[in-house]
Amino acid sequence: EVQMVESGGGLVQPGGSLRLSCAASGFTFSSYWMHWVRQAPGKGLVWVSLINNDGSSTSYADSVKGRFTISRDNAKNTLYLQVNSLRAEDTAVYYCARGGHSTCLGWGRGTLVTVSS
Amino acid sequence: QSALTQPPSASGSPGQSVTISCTGTSSDVGGYNYVSWYQQHPDKAPKLMIYDVNKRPSGVPDRFSGSKSGNTASLTVSGLQAEDEADYYCSSHVGSNKVIFGGGTKLTVL
Repeated sequence: EVQMVESGGGLVQPGGSLRLSCAASGFTFSSYWMHWVRQAPGKGLVWVSLINNDGSSTSYADSVKGRFTISRDNAKNTLYLQVNSLRAEDTAVYYCARGGHSTCLGWGRGTLVTVSS
Repeated sequence: QSALTQPPSASGSPGQSVTISCTGTSSDVGGYNYVSWYQQHPDKAPKLMIYDVNKRPSGVPDRFSGSKSGNTASLTVSGLQAEDEADYYCSSHVGSNKVIFGGGTKLTVL
């Protein structure tokens, strides 16, 4: 069964940092590009970042560029998102998704990040 | 980059067809055949329904279809069923390996 399980979310103060993880199983992780997409409470989906299958190419939404870093460990079948300098507007459920360069074929259940003092 | 434009809501009766639009620019929807559509039920993860404008992943009913004309993409749901009631989001490639989503459309089955 294809599965992606996000973890690492929680309550953090403005300016703080977190490292989100996405553990993948049931498919050849190293063959897929991976995305992070977020959804603020009651709001729509917003694309955050993308990494290619071998980790050599990454891209970011302008709103997070310079603060967030996407990475992956194909040996551990795990995707990461290092989120720094967090702001209230970063509060959201963060989903990881597998796919290609423009499509999210399958999604995890998400991890909630709350930025508040 | 602004979000793609979707109507906030759409509705139809069981058995009817409904079409949801997704309007962008020549830099996104109009420039690439990489439009996807996602269905999201309350408190659930999104599910891919259409990719590359008009392709259906395995397991998605053929009641769901996609198309594109110029800078506007469309999702049509035919033979509406109660379980189709959900939020629907479009997305598009925007170059430089970036993606943009629409604001979402809440589909109500009357």
